[in-house]
Amino acid sequence: AQKVTQAQTEISVVEKEDVTLDCVYETRDTTYYLFWYKQPPSGELVFLIRRNSFDEQNEISGRYSWNFQKSTSSFNFTITASQVVDSAVYFCALSEVLSSGNTGKLIFGQGTTLQVKP
Amino acid sequence: NAGVMQNPRHLVRRRGQEARLRCSPVKGHSHVYWYRQLPEEGLKFMVYLQKENIIDESGMPKERFSAEFPKEGPSILRIQQVVRGDSAAYFCASSPARGTDTQYFGPGTRLTVL
Repeated sequence: AQKVTQAQTEISVVEKEDVTLDCVYETRDTTYYLFWYKQPPSGELVFLIRRNSFDEQNEISGRYSWNFQKSTSSFNFTITASQVVDSAVYFCALSEVLSSGNTGKLIFGQGTTLQVKP
Repeated sequence: NAGVMQNPRHLVRRRGQEARLRCSPVKGHSHVYWYRQLPEEGLKFMVYLQKENIIDESGMPKERFSAEFPKEGPSILRIQQVVRGDSAAYFCASSPARGTDTQYFGPGTRLTVL
């Protein structure tokens, strides 16, 4: 069975601190996708990144970076120099790839609530 | 640059009434997914549809819930005889025709059952 675990329920940091959100996944598939989404207080879900199982290169986008390690089944997310606007719930998700080649359902972790204090 | 549209954004129903939630995918997207976010819980998959077909409904409750994605028009998630436990945020996502791409989410419909 597929599963995503975000062990950190809540994290509180002071502005300008770096923070890492952990994500560990379980799957028997050899081909899969991993995602991070952000849910700000306004409630919508904002796509941040998609990574396929064959691409283990780390990625950096501005203050955001992601560390994908297949050996430990982890896909961690780091925010450098956090800002108040980063306060949100962050979800890690895993998707299966169906026999048709299409992406199936997303399996979400429970989410990590990040509070960045001024 | 129209993203996924959902309406209504907020819906209030009394127990026993019907709720209809609409989702218009990104233009050109033919795959639609519905998810539910219950209070204090994460997001749970409900159903995956392509035009006129249900591909995966493994997350749909067996009774009172149905979904469709007709050839023309938005996808509809229908909840009959709502109960208080149906109160949640319902999110729709869409992905392009290939279906191997990212799912982009709408703003959600917050359903409150009185």
